[in-house]
Amino acid sequence: NAGVTQTPKFQVLKTGQSMTLQCAQDMNHNSMYWYRQDPGMGLRLIYYSASEGTTDKGEVPNGYNVSRLNKREFSLRLESAAPSQTSVYFCASNRQIYEQYFGPGTRLTVT
Amino acid sequence: SQKIEQNSEALNIQEGKTATLTCNYTNYSPAYLQWYRQDPGRGPVFLLLIRENEKEKRKERLKVTFDTTLKQSLFHITASQPADSATYLCALDIQTGANNLFFGTGTRLTVIP
Repeated sequence: NAGVTQTPKFQVLKTGQSMTLQCAQDMNHNSMYWYRQDPGMGLRLIYYSASEGTTDKGEVPNGYNVSRLNKREFSLRLESAAPSQTSVYFCASNRQIYEQYFGPGTRLTVT
Repeated sequence: SQKIEQNSEALNIQEGKTATLTCNYTNYSPAYLQWYRQDPGRGPVFLLLIRENEKEKRKERLKVTFDTTLKQSLFHITASQPADSATYLCALDIQTGANNLFFGTGTRLTVIP
């Protein structure tokens, strides 16, 4: 099992450009999550999907959209990137009420 | 406002000693509390989960306590080793119905040989 995979690992964008971060899990988990991690701020939830076909906002959803493509895949889209979105993005998944399994992260820089 | 604080940003300890990390929270009523380990450049890895009605949980050299009256969890690593050097995150699950975890900012532990 690969667990949770994320692509790309690194990305540099110019302000105003768009991109999609991809996430896939092979553990048959119902729930999937997108977090961002910034120095001194900890991990903050952007969006989550409790089950296939549903998505909900987390703590910091502004500037992002998500798509739960199927049970395995959950993508995060930045429509018009801003320097404030420079961060490390983590995808995670789990069965309900249990520990979360994280991917390796995507390091995004917006210039 | 809701807050999760981990006692210090960094903690240095001699090999073989017990490391104790603290997680304090305010204005939450968590059903569960979890601890994760994060190595540089990697995603967090789950270590232990403790429920609100449990006082203590152990796994090998790790021990977690959970005091809902003090609103505090302590995370202990006994007989610490240099390989235990990492950042440790606590996370509260307040069971909003979607298993949303609220993370602390982490404590960076360095075990000195």
